Amino acid sequence: EIVMTQTPLSSPVTLGQPASISCRSSQSLVHSDGNTYLSWLQQRPGQPPRLLIYNISKRFSGVPDRFSGSGAGTDFTLKISRVEAEDVGLYYCMQGTQLPPYTFGQGTKLEIK
Amino acid sequence: QVQLVESGGDVVQPGRSLRLSCAASGFSFNNYDMHWVRQAPGKGLEWVALIRYEGSERYYADSVKGRFTVSRDNSDNTLYLQMNSLRVEDTAVYYCVRDSWGVDFWGQGTLVTVSS
Repeated sequence: EIVMTQTPLSSPVTLGQPASISCRSSQSLVHSDGNTYLSWLQQRPGQPPRLLIYNISKRFSGVPDRFSGSGAGTDFTLKISRVEAEDVGLYYCMQGTQLPPYTFGQGTKLEIK
Repeated sequence: QVQLVESGGDVVQPGRSLRLSCAASGFSFNNYDMHWVRQAPGKGLEWVALIRYEGSERYYADSVKGRFTVSRDNSDNTLYLQMNSLRVEDTAVYYCVRDSWGVDFWGQGTLVTVSS
């Protein structure tokens, strides 16, 4: 099973400032088909998760361009260029390269200072 | 628009069974793999099961293998999760999730509480 480790687990950020969350996998997430199935999800309070980023860096439909993903192999990063109040919530990385199981990071809580 | 609506959540005693349903609409259900993902109260996300678009391949988390069965009815655009021998630790919100390039659409979830 691939273990996903996120840091930090909590991130207090000032409105308008950038934020960054890291995710490390215990094995390479490069699939035999050449793709890397690493996604980032956002879960606002009281809501189901929502897909932000897939395949490391592709923004899902409707996701603001202040969200970006990067990385390769086992190390990945989600960046928010300028945090807005609506960005408060939990953020999860998830790997879909090796199945079963799909695995998630522990979650990072983004809050406003 | 894509809609996934789960139902069937309830309060049940340990050892009992429950079947969850997920009604899909707004897309060609029979073209997509589908997942169940759960979230225990105050906890993170846990993948539960995957069924391929045609239903031929199914995968399970070790924590539910042998107790849960995922199935689908492509003629009725519905995903199911049969849960047997329920345990207290199965208490969670269960989400129905579509798989495209990523887990791109999630339902609102249905709450399963296992308690004596």
